[in-house]
Amino acid sequence: GQQLNQSPQSMFIQEGEDVSMNCTSSSIFNTWLWYKQDPGEGPVLLIALYKAGELTSNGRLTAQFGITRKDSFLNISASIPSDVGIYFCAGRAYNNNDMRFGAGTRLTVKP
Amino acid sequence: SAVISQKPSRDICQRGTSLTIQCQVDSQVTMMFWYRQQPGQSLTLIATANQGSEATYESGFVIDKFPISRPNLTFSTLTVSNMSPEDSSIYLCSAAVSRSSTDTQYFGPGTRLTVL
Repeated sequence: GQQLNQSPQSMFIQEGEDVSMNCTSSSIFNTWLWYKQDPGEGPVLLIALYKAGELTSNGRLTAQFGITRKDSFLNISASIPSDVGIYFCAGRAYNNNDMRFGAGTRLTVKP
Repeated sequence: SAVISQKPSRDICQRGTSLTIQCQVDSQVTMMFWYRQQPGQSLTLIATANQGSEATYESGFVIDKFPISRPNLTFSTLTVSNMSPEDSSIYLCSAAVSRSSTDTQYFGPGTRLTVL
């Protein structure tokens, strides 16, 4: 099946700093999704991407669907303490019904 | 979007017993899935719940251990059978909503299972 590599595994940043994380796949994807998961909760969808090169924003979050269709990144600008959590990328290859998930990036924001 | 609820939210069970987790979506959805998430880990797909037919299981998961039902387009159940401590995990229901060329997948809040 498709393999997703998500990096970094964890990040420790100061409040106000910008954050960037990315995912790469071994296969071409036609959908990339980014989720955030808080402790004790299910993943919550942040941004969905459907076209190569697509750049989409959701408040302070920006994500892009890579031109090669094998990668995606998520940026968080001016981080705040409530950004703390685990961020997962997920992707679906053409003609597959299920999403594959990255290992997650654990974000810690120091006030 | 789709709002997904799960019951129970958590349970503590004895070894050898079974637990059925219910998943309800607030709208008809194309696909429903069940995932397992070990503490601090990513999500692992258990199976795709097919409406009106047997679920499609991923490698390493079998119907005898994780029987799944999906009687309609908004509801599914996952049973964890003959539980052992290794089954302690978070079980997540998910639903995919497809519109033309786009699809989006949403998650329930999860069921935290502890097996003693």
